[in-house]
Amino acid sequence: EAGVAQSPRYKIIEKRQSVAFWCNPISGHATLYWYQQILGQGPKLLIQFQNNGVVDDSQLPKDRFSAERLKGVDSTLKIQPAKLEDSAVYLCASGGGVSPEETQYFGPGTRLLVL
Amino acid sequence: GENVEQHPSTLSVQEGDSAVIKCTYSDSASNYFPWYKQELGKGPQLIIDIRSNVGEKKDQRIAVTLNKTAKHFSLHITETQPEDSAVYFCAAAFENNDMRFGAGTRLTVKP
Repeated sequence: EAGVAQSPRYKIIEKRQSVAFWCNPISGHATLYWYQQILGQGPKLLIQFQNNGVVDDSQLPKDRFSAERLKGVDSTLKIQPAKLEDSAVYLCASGGGVSPEETQYFGPGTRLLVL
Repeated sequence: GENVEQHPSTLSVQEGDSAVIKCTYSDSASNYFPWYKQELGKGPQLIIDIRSNVGEKKDQRIAVTLNKTAKHFSLHITETQPEDSAVYFCAAAFENNDMRFGAGTRLTVKP
């Protein structure tokens, strides 16, 4: 079974630029999560989708972050404009059910450096 | 607010010794507690989880214990091996459908 795929793996941009990350979840998984992991910390949930609907985006900084999952499969996370404090690893995870009690499978992450 | 605290932040043990990592959580309604292992450059990988209807779960060298009254849970790794070296995260699922992670423990197993 193929795992969660993410691209790019690394991205370096200057502050105020925009950037987008892509995630392809495990086939058949209805739920998709985006997490932000700052160096030395645990992952922090940004947004959760079930199919193409948003379940929870309460921790997403909506003034600069946006995410979509139009067809209920792939998802993109965008930052516009980026700030220095956005430097982090962005992790995508997928799961078979809606509840966080369902096992979440993580991708390798995209490491973002904002200069 | 909802919170998960994890200790210690770093742990160094000799190969063959046991390692214990402890976490506490704030919301008594939490009922699912997974543990993840994260190796350098990779995403977290689930290694074991426990639900509130049991107090202990074991899988080979790994075990997790849960004390709901005290709101804490622990990961126990026995007979540690160098390949166990990684960062370990505990997490708790809170009532608002939110998964919160601890800050992580960097485990080093010395050969």
